[in-house]
Amino acid sequence: DVKVTQSSRYLVKRTGEKVFLECVQDMDHENMFWYRQDPGLGLRLIYFSYDVKMKEKGDIPEGYSVSREKKERFSLILESASTNQTSMYLCASPAGAANTEAFFGQGTRLTVV
Amino acid sequence: GDSVTQMEGPVTLSEEAFLTINCTYTATGYPSLFWYVQYPGEGLQLLLKATKADDKGSNKGFEATYRKETTSFHLEKGSVQVSDSAVYFCALIDNAGNMLTFGGGTRLMVKP
Repeated sequence: DVKVTQSSRYLVKRTGEKVFLECVQDMDHENMFWYRQDPGLGLRLIYFSYDVKMKEKGDIPEGYSVSREKKERFSLILESASTNQTSMYLCASPAGAANTEAFFGQGTRLTVV
Repeated sequence: GDSVTQMEGPVTLSEEAFLTINCTYTATGYPSLFWYVQYPGEGLQLLLKATKADDKGSNKGFEATYRKETTSFHLEKGSVQVSDSAVYFCALIDNAGNMLTFGGGTRLMVKP
């Protein structure tokens, strides 16, 4: 029944490290999204992708990049982690059809020290 | 662009109290509307949805009606339980099912 899986629930990384957050979906969806969630700020869209090798910037792309080499996998990359990137990261995959919802992964809580 | 506005929390209620969390939206066309729930330490789960005007979504005692005339989708429950304590997000998806837009989330705390 698992639909969207994020590779880690909890991560602790050091400032300056390159960090990869992985998201895999088994629904054959074309659309995949990365959000970060912070107290009082709700969900903010970082990047999204409508197809393999395609990416679009969301509202807060600075300090992040993404990779979509295969349809089922969408990776979020922190090129040089900073403490202000400590957050909960959520991957989502809408079906891309009208009247359908998006499915979420369980979230990755990243702490940068 | 599309937007969703929901009441700020936290909302604190006693068990068995009536719950309303307000949600209004602006969107072009005919979006679908959703309520998601996030329990502590978890991702978001779909709670209920409505795909056209006057539809009522319901699940686990929660209800919300798609009101196009007031562009609203308020969440209600007649008698909350401690286990309903969570963060609730109102959201919409555009006509094509491609772009999600979320409200800011409302934290609900239910006391025994």
